[in-house]
Amino acid sequence: KQEVTQIPAALSVPEGENLVLNCSFTDSAIYNLQWFRQDPGKGLTSLLLIQSSQREQTSGRLNASLDKSSGRSTLYIAASQPGDSATYLCAVSALYSGGGADGLTFGKGTHLIIQP
Amino acid sequence: NAGVTQTPKFQVLKTGQSMTLQCAQDMNHEYMSWYRQDPGMGLRLIHYSVGAGITDQGEVPNGYNVSRSTTEDFPLRLLSAAPSQTSVYFCASSQGQGVSNEQFFGPGTRLTVL
Repeated sequence: KQEVTQIPAALSVPEGENLVLNCSFTDSAIYNLQWFRQDPGKGLTSLLLIQSSQREQTSGRLNASLDKSSGRSTLYIAASQPGDSATYLCAVSALYSGGGADGLTFGKGTHLIIQP
Repeated sequence: NAGVTQTPKFQVLKTGQSMTLQCAQDMNHEYMSWYRQDPGMGLRLIHYSVGAGITDQGEVPNGYNVSRSTTEDFPLRLLSAAPSQTSVYFCASSQGQGVSNEQFFGPGTRLTVL
């Protein structure tokens, strides 16, 4: 059974710092990996999607990497801002028996606070 | 596009009552799914559908029923609500098999069972 772990569970840093959130998964047979942001009481917002054949994806100040063989992904946030405060979730999609993608297995998230 | 919509936003039920959580998407996505989010447990897959007329169980399907009569709608039914079903429920959709499978989530339904 796929298990996804996110470290650290919580992180508090001053504004302007660059930071790295970590995600690891136990089964490397994934279709893709997706990073989400969740604000308190809200739904999930997709940040970055990395296909299993890709090594990284970038969007603005965010960069996500994927090392499928070691079962690891990192989310790099450059020049952090108070508006980046949220919970960040990592999720992997397994290979569907028909050859496509199955449902997501989520980590428990990293709760990030950026201090002004 | 409205994206993925869910109704209601909040619901309180008594033990034993039944109800349906609604989910709709207007992106012509083939794949739809339901998750529940509980403190300390993260999000867990309840049921999913890879297209109209096709559904399958996820990690925690007991006590829930789904059907997919149209591409747009994927309702989740609680047959006889229990306090253990108190949770936040999220519906998601994606283009599905063979494509990027980027999943888009609705705003959630917060359910309390007394």
